[in-house]
Formats: sequence, C-alpha cells, structure tokens
Amino acid sequence: DGGITQSPKYLFRKEGQNVTLSCEQNLNHDAMYWYRQDPGQGLRLIYYSQIVNDFQKGDIAEGYSVSREKKESFPLTVTSAQKNPTAFYLCASSILAGQANSPLHFGNGTRLTVT
Amino acid sequence: GQQLNQSPQSMFIQEGEDVSMNCTSSSIFNTWLWYKQDPGEGPVLLIALYKAGELTSNGRLTAQFGITRKDSFLNISASIPSDVGIYFCQGAQKLVFGQGTRLTINP
Repeated sequence: DGGITQSPKYLFRKEGQNVTLSCEQNLNHDAMYWYRQDPGQGLRLIYYSQIVNDFQKGDIAEGYSVSREKKESFPLTVTSAQKNPTAFYLCASSILAGQANSPLHFGNGTRLTVT
Repeated sequence: GQQLNQSPQSMFIQEGEDVSMNCTSSSIFNTWLWYKQDPGEGPVLLIALYKAGELTSNGRLTAQFGITRKDSFLNISASIPSDVGIYFCQGAQKLVFGQGTRLTINP
C-alpha cells in the first residue's frame, strides 16, 4: 500500500538537543511538506519542498531545518534554537509541486515532547 | 502568514443532529479542500471543491464552494459517533489551513 510513514510516533528529548523526525513516502509525489500542530492553532507550515535538492521556508521555519536528497524522503530537524518545540508534527505530500488543485496526503504524525 | 477563519472552533452535539461549519478568507481561492483528523492521526481528505458555487456530496457530507470564492461550507447530516474529530478547511494554492472545528458527539 502506498502512503506516508512518519517515525517514530512518540519522541522525547532533553532541552538543548537537536532531534530529527523521519518522513518517507512511496506515492511518487513531487512535493512534500512539514506542518506543526498545536491545540487551537490548526496546522502551520514549517517547510516545503517541490523537487529534490530544493526546499522553501513556510510560516514558522525558525529553529527548524530540512533536507530533500531523495524524492521519497523529507526529514525535519528540530534544533535547539526552536523555543517551543513540543508539538505534534505532520508530514504531507502532494502529486504536483505548486499545483493548486493537489490535495495533501498526510502521515500519522510524530508527537515530540521536549523537557 | 495568512490563516483561514474557520468556525465554530468546537461543537458539542447529540448523535443524530446535523452539523454545519464554515471557512472564510479575505483572499480568493481556486480550490477548497476539507479534511478530517481522527485523534492521534493525520488529516484525511473528505471533499475537494474546484469551482465557485460547486456543491459536492460524499455520503452524509456536503460541501459548497462559496460564490465569492472567499468561503466554503461543510455540512454533516445525521451525525454518528465516528464523526468525532477535527475538521479542517484548506485554501489550496496557499497551503494554509483553518484553525479546525473540533466535533464532539454525545451518544
């Protein structure tokens, strides 16, 4: 079955440590995205990538970094510079990069807790 | 960044009741998408709208693309317990989402 896999489901880190969240898709989608979800704030875009080796900042990119070395993979690193990293992180993909009509397909998220 | 205004933020209803929620924006969109998120999972597409004035149904769900292209509506008829979750609207070309409507159903 095709889909998006995020791992791990739950992640715990100490403050000051960088942590990388994995996102892999086998849908052959061009575009991939990272969103952050906090209670009552909906989904906020962190980074997105339209093609391999290229990515763009979203609305809340500060304290995060990404890479897109392969079409299937779009890992997100939460750095120690991110002031409030505890959140639910969602990865998504879509068929055509920048295509207005392409719905997003989401993974099941990673819940990161930083103490 | 721009956000869509989605309302209500939460709803508490009895099983069997109908549900209405909406999404508005100051910008025009070419596509409106509605998703549902079950607890602990990622959102899943429910309905896609591509044309102003379009009315589309998916089972008990009906969504409309506002004629001004600045709003959209989602209705759920005869709610059942599995309708519980968070519903999101998305204005597609700007990758922005509404804040979500959390639906709770009392049996």
